[in-house]
Amino acid sequence: DAGVIQSPRHEVTEMGQEVTLRCKPISGHNSLFWYRQTMMRGLELLIYFNNNVPIDDSGMPEDRFSAKMPNASFSTLKIQPSEPRDSAVYFCASRGGGYTFGSGTRLTVV
Amino acid sequence: AQSVTQLDSQVPVFEEAPVELRCNYSSSVSVYLFWYVQYPNQGLQLLLKYLSGSTLVKGINGFEAEFNKSQTSFHLRKPSVHISDTAEYFCAVETGAQKLVFGQGTRLTINP
Repeated sequence: DAGVIQSPRHEVTEMGQEVTLRCKPISGHNSLFWYRQTMMRGLELLIYFNNNVPIDDSGMPEDRFSAKMPNASFSTLKIQPSEPRDSAVYFCASRGGGYTFGSGTRLTVV
Repeated sequence: AQSVTQLDSQVPVFEEAPVELRCNYSSSVSVYLFWYVQYPNQGLQLLLKYLSGSTLVKGINGFEAEFNKSQTSFHLRKPSVHISDTAEYFCAVETGAQKLVFGQGTRLTINP
């Protein structure tokens, strides 16, 4: 298994632009999590899904953030419009017995 | 709500010395506990986990942790560290809502 796959690995965008981060979980894992990592706040859980259904989005910072999981093999995290303070590493993880993390997307908003 | 506190933000040690990274959690119910390691510019890798049973848990790379329910602690230890252990270490607890909550991390620096 290739593990949890995130794309892109790096994203640099200008303030105000829309950003879409992608995640492919491990096949058979029925839960998916989006985390954000910053120096100031550490690892924060943004949202998680069970069986493609959003269960808890209380960590989503603002309405500018949205996440979808249209099927069991794909999820997106969208930021629109992006702001410099959104700069962070965004991790996706899937769970099926244990948690497996992707390599992350490093987002820089200038 | 459950929370995790890592008591040291940075721990410098010399190579081949022992190390302990401290983690305390708060929870009124049974929890599952984890330690993850993050090498520079990489994702998180599971070191070990406590789900139930023996309170001493052995993980990869020679690490072990001890679950202490009375002290609500789950400290990570290694008897002899190597330069390659330089990384950030995260303690985490899985809550009753089945989501993983992380501590702030401890940066372990190994000096030759």
